[in-house]
Amino acid sequence: KNQVEQSPQSLIILEGKNCTLQCNYTVSPFSNLRWYKQDTGRGPVSLTIMTFSENTKSNGRYTATLDADTKQSSLHITASQLSDSASYICVARGSYDKVIFGPGTSLSVIP
Amino acid sequence: KAGVTQTPRYLIKTRGQQVTLSCSPISGHRSVSWYQQTPGQGLQFLFEYFSETQRNKGNFPGRFSGRQFSNSRSEMNVSTLELGDSALYLCASSFAGATYEQYFGPGTRLTVT
Repeated sequence: KNQVEQSPQSLIILEGKNCTLQCNYTVSPFSNLRWYKQDTGRGPVSLTIMTFSENTKSNGRYTATLDADTKQSSLHITASQLSDSASYICVARGSYDKVIFGPGTSLSVIP
Repeated sequence: KAGVTQTPRYLIKTRGQQVTLSCSPISGHRSVSWYQQTPGQGLQFLFEYFSETQRNKGNFPGRFSGRQFSNSRSEMNVSTLELGDSALYLCASSFAGATYEQYFGPGTRLTVT
């Protein structure tokens, strides 16, 4: 069964701290994996996209990793800011018609 | 370059009514996908249109339909609304389809009473 799981479901961290969000996927065949950031009441915005041959990709303070063997990905946020408070969604794409969204991790950064 | 626009942004309807949502993709993009987002189910794929043809369809009942016009603008229609249809409806445009970068609109918040 194609599915994407994310952990933790929610997370609260202090401003300036680092955090890591996890994504496990079982999509086959696997094409690529994206991380999106979704602010409350707005549409998701793409942070990174990785294919099976890539294992690390950075976008500013966001660094995503991918292990295609274990089918796991992580999103590491460095030196968190209040504006990082959002939902982070992992999306695995398989063959053309398979797009599986994870449930998201809700991150709250507090001062 | 203007982003993806969706209208209306908010909508309140009564059970049994029908509703039409509109999405204007980024200029030059030919693919438009629609998603339903609810707190319990997360984002779920409804359908994708490319060059006025429905290319993919998610697992939703026939009450959900859509179309795409020659200028790539897309509409989504939901007939015989149910309370469970209350959700944020997002549209995403991309240059040529699912394997390309998708850009999401702000969504239409539909409330069914």
